[in-house]
Amino acid sequence: GESVGLHLPTLSVQEGDNSIINCAYSNSASDYFIWYKQESGKGPQFIIDIRSNMDKRQGQRVTVLLNKTVKHLSLQIAATQPGDSAVYFCAERQSGGGADGLTFGKGTHLIIQP
Amino acid sequence: EAGVTQSPTHLIKTRGQQATLRCSPISGHTSVYWYQQALGLGLQFLLWYDEGEERNRGNFPPRFSGRQFPNYSSELNVNALELEDSALYLCASSLEGAYGYTFGSGTRLTVV
Repeated sequence: GESVGLHLPTLSVQEGDNSIINCAYSNSASDYFIWYKQESGKGPQFIIDIRSNMDKRQGQRVTVLLNKTVKHLSLQIAATQPGDSAVYFCAERQSGGGADGLTFGKGTHLIIQP
Repeated sequence: EAGVTQSPTHLIKTRGQQATLRCSPISGHTSVYWYQQALGLGLQFLLWYDEGEERNRGNFPPRFSGRQFPNYSSELNVNALELEDSALYLCASSLEGAYGYTFGSGTRLTVV
């Protein structure tokens, strides 16, 4: 079936730089997208979400961009800090909920270089 | 507000045994989801419970089963454990119909 995928499994950035984590999705019926952060030994933690009727949403130091034309989702983290080191997952949900709930990508490991 | 709690945090079992994992959702959340996260892989959907009923299950064999209790807590049972069942098992909860989930910290199951 259709699924969410990520372009890069590992992303290394310098502390203080901006990070951009990308995600491609193929299910045109998805109307809700969410980013989770998972630190080592912990469960995924909600970062930010966006509905398909929006193309941008901002939070504290994070921005999610949605390009429905090319089915692309990105998470931007401003002024990356050591505490941002984690695996980041994007997830999608089909319009109406979908039988499987959220479908997750494999994740991108963000590494912060000092 | 207490988050989603899972127990035990770690579990070591022998191949062929049964494992029981438990999850308590956030108060007021009626939906509970179970995911398997094998090392280095993403989250694979296992089961979804809402109001005590199994709403859907992922592509896992029948030896993965569970239930949801009247207080909305949930239990995941894995019978006839195999080595490849070793993984982090995550439970999440949400309000009925809500799109976002809140996850627990998981149970690390190791099958030896």
